[in-house]
Amino acid sequence: GNSVTQMEGPVTLSEEAFLTINCTYTATGYPSLFWYVQYPGEGLQLLLKATKADDKGSNKGFEATYRKETTSFHLEKGSVQVSDSAVYFCALSEGQGGSEKLVFGKGMKLTVNP
Amino acid sequence: DGGITQSPKYLFRKEGQNVTLSCEQNLNHDAMYWYRQDPGQGLRLIYYSQIVNDFQKGDIAEGYSVSREKKESFPLTVTSAQKNPTAFYLCASSKIQGLPSNQPQHFGDGTRLSIL
Repeated sequence: GNSVTQMEGPVTLSEEAFLTINCTYTATGYPSLFWYVQYPGEGLQLLLKATKADDKGSNKGFEATYRKETTSFHLEKGSVQVSDSAVYFCALSEGQGGSEKLVFGKGMKLTVNP
Repeated sequence: DGGITQSPKYLFRKEGQNVTLSCEQNLNHDAMYWYRQDPGQGLRLIYYSQIVNDFQKGDIAEGYSVSREKKESFPLTVTSAQKNPTAFYLCASSKIQGLPSNQPQHFGDGTRLSIL
């Protein structure tokens, strides 16, 4: 079946450091890919998405590019802030169009220190 | 503002007791989902529903039940058959839309269930 493998933390960075969170996937067909963020005590919020190969999703300084050849969707940010401290989940949607089930990675907890 | 409301935020259950978690959305979304989150395991799908009066099992449906009598509501019952119910439960919803775009799921703030 479909699966998502992402870096597992926890990871601690200093403010203004560069961030990369690796995410690779296994899927049949052409899934859409997502990054969600979960702040302490809250639900998940969509951070960015990409729906086809070579698409780049971006939001709040975060970027990720849908790489079909390497089945990857790595998340990057050039300069993290304390407010970026959260758990980050990579996910894919099964099927195309309509309402699809999401398959999640295990999440990575990021702590950014001032 | 539109959104998803889960209640209660914290819930305690005694052994052998059924409990029901509420999920309401006013986003006019067709599809709704229930996930279970455990430390280090990410999110796992319990049940989902794409239309009123219809729902499907997810990956870990055993010990859970749902209903979808209204478009806005998708309550989850954790039954006594669920032997390890302590977890963080998240409800989500999304539009149903055809190709080419995929609609993201919107999440509530979760309910944390603990066993007394």
